[in-house]
Amino acid sequence: AQSVAQPEDQVNVAEGNPLTVKCTYSVSGNPYLFWYVQYPNRGLQFLLKYITGDNLVKGSYGFEAEFNKSQTSFHLKKPSALVSDSALYFCAVRDLFSGGYNKLIFGAGTRLAVHP
Amino acid sequence: GAGVSQSPRYKVAKRGQDVALRCDPISGHVSLFWYQQALGQGPEFLTYFQNEAQLDKSGLPSDRFFAERPEGSVSTLKIQRTQQEDSAVYLCASGDHLGSSVETQYFGPGTRLLVL
Repeated sequence: AQSVAQPEDQVNVAEGNPLTVKCTYSVSGNPYLFWYVQYPNRGLQFLLKYITGDNLVKGSYGFEAEFNKSQTSFHLKKPSALVSDSALYFCAVRDLFSGGYNKLIFGAGTRLAVHP
Repeated sequence: GAGVSQSPRYKVAKRGQDVALRCDPISGHVSLFWYQQALGQGPEFLTYFQNEAQLDKSGLPSDRFFAERPEGSVSTLKIQRTQQEDSAVYLCASGDHLGSSVETQYFGPGTRLLVL
Protein backbone atom coordinates (compact mmCIF):
# COMPACT_ATOMS: atom_id res chain seq x y z
CA ALA A 1 0.00 0.00 0.00
CA GLN A 2 1.16 3.51 -0.72
CA SER A 3 1.71 5.74 2.26
CA VAL A 4 3.66 8.56 3.82
CA ALA A 5 4.90 8.71 7.38
CA GLN A 6 5.69 11.73 9.48
CA PRO A 7 7.57 10.27 12.42
CA GLU A 8 7.41 13.35 14.64
CA ASP A 9 4.16 14.62 16.11
CA GLN A 10 5.82 17.89 17.09
CA VAL A 11 9.04 19.71 16.30
CA ASN A 12 10.32 22.55 18.47
CA VAL A 13 12.78 25.08 17.10
CA ALA A 14 14.19 28.37 18.29
CA GLU A 15 13.60 31.35 16.04
CA GLY A 16 16.51 31.86 13.68
CA ASN A 17 17.62 28.24 13.82
CA PRO A 18 17.28 25.86 10.88
CA LEU A 19 14.27 23.57 10.90
CA THR A 20 13.58 20.12 9.47
CA VAL A 21 10.23 18.36 9.32
CA LYS A 22 10.62 14.72 8.35
CA CYS A 23 8.65 12.66 5.86
CA THR A 24 9.23 9.19 4.49
CA TYR A 25 7.23 7.53 1.76
CA SER A 26 6.34 4.08 0.55
CA VAL A 27 5.21 3.79 -3.06
CA SER A 28 5.63 1.26 -5.83
CA GLY A 29 7.09 3.46 -8.52
CA ASN A 30 8.30 7.01 -8.91
CA PRO A 31 6.70 9.19 -6.26
CA TYR A 32 5.08 12.57 -6.65
CA LEU A 33 5.46 14.29 -3.28
CA PHE A 34 3.92 17.39 -1.76
CA TRP A 35 4.14 19.55 1.34
CA TYR A 36 1.23 21.57 2.67
CA VAL A 37 0.92 23.83 5.72
CA GLN A 38 -2.22 24.35 7.77
CA TYR A 39 -2.78 27.34 10.03
CA PRO A 40 -5.55 27.26 12.68
CA ASN A 41 -9.06 27.35 11.23
CA ARG A 42 -7.71 27.56 7.71
CA GLY A 43 -7.35 25.15 4.86
CA LEU A 44 -4.15 23.64 3.59
CA GLN A 45 -1.74 25.91 1.77
CA PHE A 46 0.56 24.46 -0.87
CA LEU A 47 4.28 24.82 -0.18
CA LEU A 48 6.06 22.74 -2.81
CA LYS A 49 6.07 19.55 -4.83
CA TYR A 50 8.54 17.09 -6.28
CA ILE A 51 7.76 15.56 -9.65
CA THR A 52 11.12 14.80 -11.21
CA GLY A 53 14.47 16.46 -11.77
CA ASP A 54 16.51 18.20 -9.12
CA ASN A 55 16.34 16.53 -5.74
CA LEU A 56 16.23 19.91 -3.98
CA VAL A 57 12.89 21.60 -4.48
CA LYS A 58 12.33 25.22 -3.51
CA GLY A 59 8.92 26.42 -2.48
CA SER A 60 6.96 29.19 -0.85
CA TYR A 61 7.96 31.24 2.21
CA GLY A 62 11.61 30.16 2.03
CA PHE A 63 10.90 26.45 2.44
CA GLU A 64 12.66 23.74 0.51
CA ALA A 65 12.58 19.96 0.50
CA GLU A 66 15.11 17.34 -0.41
CA PHE A 67 14.07 14.21 -2.23
CA ASN A 68 16.23 11.21 -1.30
CA LYS A 69 15.37 8.09 -3.23
CA SER A 70 17.72 5.75 -1.38
CA GLN A 71 16.25 6.77 1.98
CA THR A 72 12.71 7.18 0.59
CA SER A 73 12.52 10.54 2.28
CA PHE A 74 11.27 14.01 1.44
CA HIS A 75 12.18 16.20 4.41
CA LEU A 76 11.03 19.80 4.59
CA LYS A 77 13.66 22.35 5.54
CA LYS A 78 14.14 26.05 6.14
CA PRO A 79 17.48 27.71 6.94
CA SER A 80 16.12 30.17 9.50
CA ALA A 81 12.82 29.60 11.30
CA LEU A 82 10.31 32.35 12.04
CA VAL A 83 7.74 32.40 14.81
CA SER A 84 5.13 32.80 12.08
CA ASP A 85 6.15 29.39 10.67
CA SER A 86 4.44 27.75 13.64
CA ALA A 87 1.71 25.60 12.13
CA LEU A 88 0.74 22.06 11.18
CA TYR A 89 2.67 20.57 8.27
CA PHE A 90 1.48 17.73 6.07
CA CYS A 91 3.44 15.58 3.67
CA ALA A 92 1.48 13.89 0.88
CA VAL A 93 2.08 11.49 -1.99
CA ARG A 94 0.07 11.05 -5.13
CA ASP A 95 -1.82 7.78 -5.29
CA LEU A 96 -0.27 6.16 -8.34
CA PHE A 97 -3.28 3.91 -8.81
CA SER A 98 -5.75 6.79 -9.02
CA GLY A 99 -6.16 6.60 -12.76
CA GLY A 100 -4.26 9.69 -13.79
CA TYR A 101 -5.66 12.31 -11.48
CA ASN A 102 -3.99 13.73 -8.42
CA LYS A 103 -5.56 11.86 -5.53
CA LEU A 104 -3.38 12.58 -2.51
CA ILE A 105 -2.50 10.38 0.45
CA PHE A 106 -1.55 12.49 3.46
CA GLY A 107 0.58 11.85 6.48
CA ALA A 108 -0.75 12.46 9.98
CA GLY A 109 0.93 15.85 10.21
CA THR A 110 3.71 17.41 12.27
CA ARG A 111 3.14 20.40 14.48
CA LEU A 112 5.97 22.90 14.24
CA ALA A 113 6.48 25.27 17.17
CA VAL A 114 9.00 28.07 16.71
CA HIS A 115 9.92 29.79 19.96
CA PRO A 116 11.16 33.40 20.17
CA GLY B 1 -12.56 35.73 -4.93
CA ALA B 2 -9.27 34.20 -5.94
CA GLY B 3 -9.37 31.09 -3.78
CA VAL B 4 -11.57 28.13 -2.98
CA SER B 5 -14.45 29.02 -0.72
CA GLN B 6 -16.60 26.75 1.40
CA SER B 7 -19.82 27.27 3.32
CA PRO B 8 -20.88 27.05 5.99
CA ARG B 9 -17.62 27.30 7.91
CA TYR B 10 -19.18 25.64 10.93
CA LYS B 11 -22.16 23.35 11.19
CA VAL B 12 -23.69 21.76 14.24
CA ALA B 13 -26.16 19.00 13.49
CA LYS B 14 -28.24 16.73 15.63
CA ARG B 15 -27.71 13.04 15.05
CA GLY B 16 -29.99 11.91 12.26
CA GLN B 17 -30.17 15.30 10.58
CA ASP B 18 -29.20 15.80 6.92
CA VAL B 19 -26.51 18.37 6.06
CA ALA B 20 -25.25 19.95 2.85
CA LEU B 21 -21.78 21.42 2.49
CA ARG B 22 -20.92 23.74 -0.38
CA CYS B 23 -17.68 24.27 -2.27
CA ASP B 24 -16.93 27.05 -4.76
CA PRO B 25 -13.72 26.13 -6.59
CA ILE B 26 -11.30 28.46 -8.28
CA SER B 27 -12.85 29.64 -11.52
CA GLY B 28 -11.88 27.46 -14.47
CA HIS B 29 -10.49 24.59 -12.43
CA VAL B 30 -11.51 21.27 -13.93
CA SER B 31 -10.65 19.06 -10.98
CA LEU B 32 -12.46 19.10 -7.66
CA PHE B 33 -11.71 16.95 -4.63
CA TRP B 34 -13.39 16.41 -1.27
CA TYR B 35 -11.40 15.26 1.75
CA GLN B 36 -12.37 14.46 5.32
CA GLN B 37 -10.04 15.48 8.14
CA ALA B 38 -10.69 13.94 11.53
CA LEU B 39 -9.30 15.62 14.61
CA GLY B 40 -5.55 15.20 14.86
CA GLN B 41 -5.24 13.40 11.53
CA GLY B 42 -4.34 14.16 7.97
CA PRO B 43 -7.00 14.65 5.30
CA GLU B 44 -8.45 11.52 3.72
CA PHE B 45 -9.79 11.38 0.19
CA LEU B 46 -13.54 11.15 -0.27
CA THR B 47 -14.34 11.80 -3.92
CA TYR B 48 -13.12 13.39 -7.16
CA PHE B 49 -14.85 15.27 -9.98
CA GLN B 50 -13.56 16.11 -13.41
CA ASN B 51 -15.89 18.85 -14.55
CA GLU B 52 -19.36 17.48 -13.75
CA ALA B 53 -18.33 13.81 -13.87
CA GLN B 54 -17.72 12.04 -10.58
CA LEU B 55 -14.84 9.76 -11.51
CA ASP B 56 -13.97 8.38 -8.12
CA LYS B 57 -16.13 8.03 -5.03
CA SER B 58 -14.13 5.23 -3.46
CA GLY B 59 -13.44 7.22 -0.30
CA LEU B 60 -17.04 7.94 0.66
CA PRO B 61 -17.52 6.15 4.00
CA SER B 62 -21.07 4.99 3.41
CA ASP B 63 -24.09 5.41 1.19
CA ARG B 64 -25.18 8.24 3.47
CA PHE B 65 -22.57 10.40 1.76
CA PHE B 66 -23.39 11.88 -1.61
CA ALA B 67 -21.59 14.50 -3.71
CA GLU B 68 -22.54 16.33 -6.86
CA ARG B 69 -21.19 18.96 -9.21
CA PRO B 70 -23.99 19.34 -11.76
CA GLU B 71 -22.59 22.19 -13.84
CA GLY B 72 -18.92 21.49 -13.40
CA SER B 73 -18.34 24.34 -11.00
CA VAL B 74 -19.92 24.47 -7.53
CA SER B 75 -20.02 21.19 -5.66
CA THR B 76 -22.15 20.00 -2.76
CA LEU B 77 -21.34 17.23 -0.33
CA LYS B 78 -24.47 15.89 1.34
CA ILE B 79 -24.54 13.69 4.39
CA GLN B 80 -27.82 12.01 5.24
CA ARG B 81 -28.82 10.86 8.72
CA THR B 82 -25.65 12.21 10.28
CA GLN B 83 -23.86 10.16 12.91
CA GLN B 84 -21.40 11.26 15.57
CA GLU B 85 -18.53 9.64 13.68
CA ASP B 86 -19.19 12.06 10.82
CA SER B 87 -17.84 14.89 12.95
CA ALA B 88 -14.79 16.20 11.13
CA VAL B 89 -13.52 19.00 8.95
CA TYR B 90 -14.55 18.59 5.33
CA LEU B 91 -12.06 20.09 2.91
CA CYS B 92 -12.62 20.91 -0.72
CA ALA B 93 -9.77 21.39 -3.19
CA SER B 94 -9.66 22.34 -6.84
CA GLY B 95 -6.88 21.54 -9.27
CA ASP B 96 -5.24 23.59 -11.97
CA HIS B 97 -4.31 20.85 -14.42
CA LEU B 98 -5.77 17.76 -15.97
CA GLY B 99 -4.43 14.41 -17.01
CA SER B 100 -0.77 13.61 -17.07
CA SER B 101 0.42 16.87 -15.59
CA VAL B 102 0.74 16.55 -11.84
CA GLU B 103 -1.58 19.28 -10.73
CA THR B 104 -1.43 21.32 -7.58
CA GLN B 105 -4.52 21.23 -5.43
CA TYR B 106 -5.70 24.43 -3.79
CA PHE B 107 -7.72 23.94 -0.65
CA GLY B 108 -10.60 25.84 0.82
CA PRO B 109 -10.83 26.71 4.52
CA GLY B 110 -13.02 23.71 5.25
CA THR B 111 -16.34 23.14 6.95
CA ARG B 112 -16.16 21.96 10.52
CA LEU B 113 -19.07 19.61 11.20
CA LEU B 114 -20.05 18.64 14.70
CA VAL B 115 -22.75 16.03 15.14
CA LEU B 116 -24.31 15.92 18.57
